[in-house]
Amino acid sequence: EVQLEQSGAEVKKPGESLKISCKGSGYSFINSWIAWVRQMPGKGLEWMGIIYPGDSDTTYSPPFQGQVTISADKSLNTAYLKWSSLKASDTAMYYCASSFGSGDSWYFDLWGRGTLVTVSS
Amino acid sequence: DIVLTQSPGTLSLSPGERGTLSCRASQSVSARYLAWYQQKPGQAPRLLIYGASSRATGIPDRFSGSGSGTDFTLTIGRLEPEDSAVYYCQQYGNSPGITFGPGTKVDIK
Repeated sequence: EVQLEQSGAEVKKPGESLKISCKGSGYSFINSWIAWVRQMPGKGLEWMGIIYPGDSDTTYSPPFQGQVTISADKSLNTAYLKWSSLKASDTAMYYCASSFGSGDSWYFDLWGRGTLVTVSS
Repeated sequence: DIVLTQSPGTLSLSPGERGTLSCRASQSVSARYLAWYQQKPGQAPRLLIYGASSRATGIPDRFSGSGSGTDFTLTIGRLEPEDSAVYYCQQYGNSPGITFGPGTKVDIK
């Protein structure tokens, strides 16, 4: 089965670090782009950045540049989203999405179920 | 950077009616690199349309996309109750890479 499996919900305190994951299976993970998308409570979709696991080529959306780190381990078919110091405003659902059927085009036909991150003191 | 505007903000229609959703870009979208997604409450987004008018795998033919340049439309013919959702457009051809519109909420009453 073609799928993206995301890590479980997290509850963290401001200032803590966090790394969430997105594991692909059933398709050529390393040859498809993986994007991270934020959805704050009751709000729309925001593109954070994108990585090509095959060579770790990464592009960040300007508002998220320097705020998060996107990485991938192609041997594990897994992409990651990392924060070094969380803020309350990072509270959101985070989705990973793959260009599974689109090749080099950055539209996404495969989505994970999302990881809910709650940051609260 | 390209900005996407969607209208209306909310669309309330009855089953069987036709829904027309608009997505307008602040500058021309390269090569019609425009996609549409459907998101139901508590679910991840689902790809409906890519390349402005190509339906994704498994999407019913009552969903259709059209447009080019700065003006794009998602049409939902013969609305069904399960079409209640928020619909987002996304461009993937211009700097900074990817932009989502703010979404249109469709209520089927």
